[in-house]
Amino acid sequence: SAVISQKPSRDICQRGTSLTIQCQVDSQVTMMFWYRQQPGQSLTLIATANQGSEATYESGFVIDKFPISRPNLTFSTLTVSNMSPEDSSIYLCSVRPTVNTEAFFGQGTRLTVV
Amino acid sequence: LAKTTQPISMDSYEGQEVNITCSHNNIATNDYITWYQQFPSQGPRFIIQGYKTKVTNEVASLFIPADRKSSTLSLPRVSLSDTAVYYCLALNTDKLIFGTGTRLQVFP
Repeated sequence: SAVISQKPSRDICQRGTSLTIQCQVDSQVTMMFWYRQQPGQSLTLIATANQGSEATYESGFVIDKFPISRPNLTFSTLTVSNMSPEDSSIYLCSVRPTVNTEAFFGQGTRLTVV
Repeated sequence: LAKTTQPISMDSYEGQEVNITCSHNNIATNDYITWYQQFPSQGPRFIIQGYKTKVTNEVASLFIPADRKSSTLSLPRVSLSDTAVYYCLALNTDKLIFGTGTRLQVFP
């Protein structure tokens, strides 16, 4: 199993500013992912955070808007840049210890942009 | 990644068995079926996974027919605490792509 700590748990931000969300895992994992979940909706994969290289982004998400760092196998950050009210959402970090094991999720960061 | 289709919502009463069916007509040979549960204000949690026939654990059973074009998650004797969104995924890669999910509401 894996225990994930996400910070902050929630924040209210002014439009035009940026917020960095941290994800800390209690064990080394190869696969780490960032998701967005808008109220009442399903999860949408933003990107795969690759250790030692650039993140791999899904269609509709770009590095300039959502820069991701993955300095080691236990930590990653997601930055939401130049925020607008449309970025108000829950952002979740997820890990999979191996491709054949279940995924574990953090509690999420509830972001409100005003 | 195979697309999955499941009912948007279901209602049940405490003590009943709930069966949630998921359609995955274009499932690939290497895909396996996995289900996750999500409570409000929490991240999804793994429930069960299978490739074919029947899998059972302490939480649920998963039935997969021979053609694997659908699967059924069975929750025995649900309680109020089973109220959640249930996601069906068919995958064989590292990343999880979530569909719409089924919102299960359990009434007393």
